Amino acid sequence: RKEVEQDPGPFNVPEGATVAFNCTYSNSASQSFFWYRQDCRKEPKLLMSVYSSGNEDGRFTAQLNRASQYISLLIRDSKLSDSATYLCVAYNAGNMLTFGGGTRLMVKP
Amino acid sequence: EAGVAQSPRYKIIEKRQSVAFWCNPISGHATLYWYQQILGQGPKLLIQFQNNGVVDDSQLPKDRFSAERLKGVDSTLKIQPAKLEDSAVYLCASSFSGRDHEQYFGPGTRLTVT
Repeated sequence: RKEVEQDPGPFNVPEGATVAFNCTYSNSASQSFFWYRQDCRKEPKLLMSVYSSGNEDGRFTAQLNRASQYISLLIRDSKLSDSATYLCVAYNAGNMLTFGGGTRLMVKP
Repeated sequence: EAGVAQSPRYKIIEKRQSVAFWCNPISGHATLYWYQQILGQGPKLLIQFQNNGVVDDSQLPKDRFSAERLKGVDSTLKIQPAKLEDSAVYLCASSFSGRDHEQYFGPGTRLTVT
């Protein structure tokens, strides 16, 4: 079983839609979690951190559920520019990032 | 501020040949990482350096892969000999010491082994 699992998608949504991705992790010792964004043929970039209390940044909301060991990312009012792959990331003891396989989002006009 | 630099951007080699990739991290970043990203997958950590010391290389296939960061600044990753399954994008990233979750990635080197 992979340490961080994501639905690869693609999620095809119209502009203005709300879309949510989930991610599950198997290592209960994981300390913190993040979402990275990766555009096609580009490098990953940190999007936001994920906290148990929830973290909102504009149209993006991230949530952590430690009891169920899953992380979510909600995007409201989707824009064409949101089209990308979203990588769920666990930060473990030893200062290592473990990346999920990514969820691909395509926002259509 | 200059980002993480990598070269070459693309490389095509035949199996059993050798190849080397170079990375120059963001100035002041003590921690440097090499990742392998196979098409359709997330990045997988190969090796992590703190200054010129290796922090973790548990996922580095040491029979064919090697990496060094001799002066604690730039780094080289080498594959010798290459196999078909090494075809991937090799990403270098760096971070400030103590902020390892916030990694800045270079553009990557796309390796094709034929």
